[in-house]
Amino acid sequence: GENVGLHLPTLSVQEGDNSIINCAYSNSASDYFIWYKQESGKGPQFIIDIRSNMDKRQGQRVTVLLNKTVKHLSLQIAATQPGDSAVYFCAESRASGTYKYIFGTGTRLKVLA
Amino acid sequence: EPEVTQTPSHQVTQMGQEVILRCVPISNHLYFYWYRQILGQKVEFLVSFYNNEISEKSEIFDDQFSVERPDGSNFTLKIRSTKLEDSAMYFCASRLLAGDSFFGPGTRLTVL
Repeated sequence: GENVGLHLPTLSVQEGDNSIINCAYSNSASDYFIWYKQESGKGPQFIIDIRSNMDKRQGQRVTVLLNKTVKHLSLQIAATQPGDSAVYFCAESRASGTYKYIFGTGTRLKVLA
Repeated sequence: EPEVTQTPSHQVTQMGQEVILRCVPISNHLYFYWYRQILGQKVEFLVSFYNNEISEKSEIFDDQFSVERPDGSNFTLKIRSTKLEDSAMYFCASRLLAGDSFFGPGTRLTVL
């Protein structure tokens, strides 16, 4: 998928630094949240998910934080690498029914060498 | 690793023509979805399909759109009479039961 990025917020970080990408979700009934990475010309790629009964979940080099009080989600990437350059989307869903995803606007991450 | 595949990767059509976008979901998955992404915008839900019927559709998914699972492997999205504003990337996704959905690489639809 193409994201020209004309309307996307952009985060530029130095290689090796940590990145924090933020997302606000809309539906207080959502109970399942996912971060996806999208590289140019490709479909969304799953990074990490979290359910609403948790406030933090860690993966390999990535951590997702969930603050249900303010409906806020963040993705932390440790030791950012050039291969992390992409557009990152959060998505919300309800763990019942159709599990459709409602995606956020996206943030473009640029890793500077 | 199993993956969702989509064909074609790029489809160019004239306004008013019918197009069929094809997807092969992951073989043991039960839920199937179509999403679209207009250039520079976020990914939007179109429709979900489960147990051989539409389980939910968005307001974008009007009478011009239809989905079908004609056999045990393919999942198609048909647009009967394309409009300029249908130009977008169309993503197919599938899911087993609970947990995350797996997305295909997308089909870029260009309506002239």
